[in-house]
Amino acid sequence: QQQVKQSPQSLIVQKGGISIINCAYENTAFDYFPWYQQFPGKGPALLIAIRPDVSEKKEGRFTISFNKSAKQFSLHIMDSQPGDSATYFCAAKISGGYNKLIFGAGTRLAVHP
Amino acid sequence: DAGVTQSPTHLIKTRGQQVTLRCSPKSGHDTVSWYQQALGQGPQFIFQYYEEEERQRGNFPDRFSGHQYPNYSSELNVNALLLGDSALYLCASSPDPSGANVLTFGAGSRLTVL
Repeated sequence: QQQVKQSPQSLIVQKGGISIINCAYENTAFDYFPWYQQFPGKGPALLIAIRPDVSEKKEGRFTISFNKSAKQFSLHIMDSQPGDSATYFCAAKISGGYNKLIFGAGTRLAVHP
Repeated sequence: DAGVTQSPTHLIKTRGQQVTLRCSPKSGHDTVSWYQQALGQGPQFIFQYYEEEERQRGNFPDRFSGHQYPNYSSELNVNALLLGDSALYLCASSPDPSGANVLTFGAGSRLTVL
C-alpha cells in the first residue's frame, strides 16, 4: 500500500517532442507528490511537486497532471531537450509523515537530437 | 552557499566489515534523512534525525544505525556488511522534519561490498 508504481522504465524521445512519465499509488493518505531529476553521479533534485487538491501544475516546460480519483499522476516534459536526458523519479509523502518520501523505481529518459 | 556534502564519495568494503558515512546538511537545515539507492532503483528511506534523535525509520535492520551531532551533521553506520548493502547512500536535509518541499539531496556515497 505504500508503493508508488512508475512507468515506463525507459523512454526515448526526439528533441522537441513530449516526454510523459506516469505514476500510480494506492495509499490515499499521501498528501504531497514531487518529481525528482537525477543526473549520473548526482543526487536527486526536486523538479516540480503537487498536492492532491490541485489537478495540474505547470512550471516552464514541466507539467504535473494529477488524477485523484484514479490515484495517478504524471509528468509531462514539453519541447524535450537533450539536456533533459536523466533519470526521473516520482515520489509521495504520507500526511503527517514528516518528510519521508516513497519513491518510484525511476524512468531513464534519453532525448535524441 | 554549500549544499549537502557527503563523504566519502566512493568506498569498497568486504562482507562482515563496518562502514561509516558522513553528511553535512545544507546551511540553515537541521533535519537529516538517509536513503539507500540500489542500482537501477529509486531511493529507499532509512531513517531521519532531528534534534539528535532518530525520529522515523524505514524497513531496515538494526545493522543500520545513525547519529546526529549538535552542529546537525550526521553519520550513517552499517555493521556486518552484506553484498546486498552495495548501493548509493544519499543524505538529504531540510529546515525542519516536515519540510518535504525543500528536501535537498547530496550526491551520495557509493558503497561497494565485495
